[in-house]
Amino acid sequence: GDSVTQMEGPVTLSEEACLTINCTYTATGYPSLFWYVQYPGEGLQLLLKATKADDKGSNKGFEATYRKETTSFHLEKGSVQVSDSAVYFCALSYGGSQGNLIFGKGTKLSVKP
Amino acid sequence: DTGVSQNPRHKITKRGQNVTFRCDPISEHNRLYWYRQTLGQGPEFLTYFQNEAQLEKSRLLSDRFSAERPKGSFSTLEIQRTEQGDSAMYLCASNQVGQGDEKLFFGSGTQLSVL
Repeated sequence: GDSVTQMEGPVTLSEEACLTINCTYTATGYPSLFWYVQYPGEGLQLLLKATKADDKGSNKGFEATYRKETTSFHLEKGSVQVSDSAVYFCALSYGGSQGNLIFGKGTKLSVKP
Repeated sequence: DTGVSQNPRHKITKRGQNVTFRCDPISEHNRLYWYRQTLGQGPEFLTYFQNEAQLEKSRLLSDRFSAERPKGSFSTLEIQRTEQGDSAMYLCASNQVGQGDEKLFFGSGTQLSVL
């Protein structure tokens, strides 16, 4: 079946360091891909999305490119801040609705000042 | 717009008891979803509603679980004869499908502990 695999955390970085969180997927069709973020004490929030191959999603300095050839959707940021400390989830869905999602296990990021 | 609201935030119960959770979606949203998240895992889809109709149920949703959305607004998720394996965070989400951006909004969840 369809699945999402993320790099295991936790990831600890110093402020202004570069971030990459790897995400690969297995899918029978052509899903949409998402990154969600969960800040401490808050609900999941959509960070960015891409709906077809070669699309790049971006938001708040984060980027991810839908790579069909490598079935990947890696999350990147050039310079992280303490406020980026959170758990990041990669996810996929099919069809028009974004609601029936298959999530990865999540990667916890801690950014130290 | 107050976002997706879930109650209670925490629930502690004894094995074998029944529990019910409530979710109030964003008011104009026509779809409502339930997910379950255990420690160290990502959320797993349980079921969803379009207005009052329950359109899909995951195989994770055993016969002890039932969800309703009687008037197409709030939803309840009931677990009968709870088991320790039911301990998890239960998440609700909603979105508006068919009109532009279908961004999904999540609530903060109900944390269930079965003793």
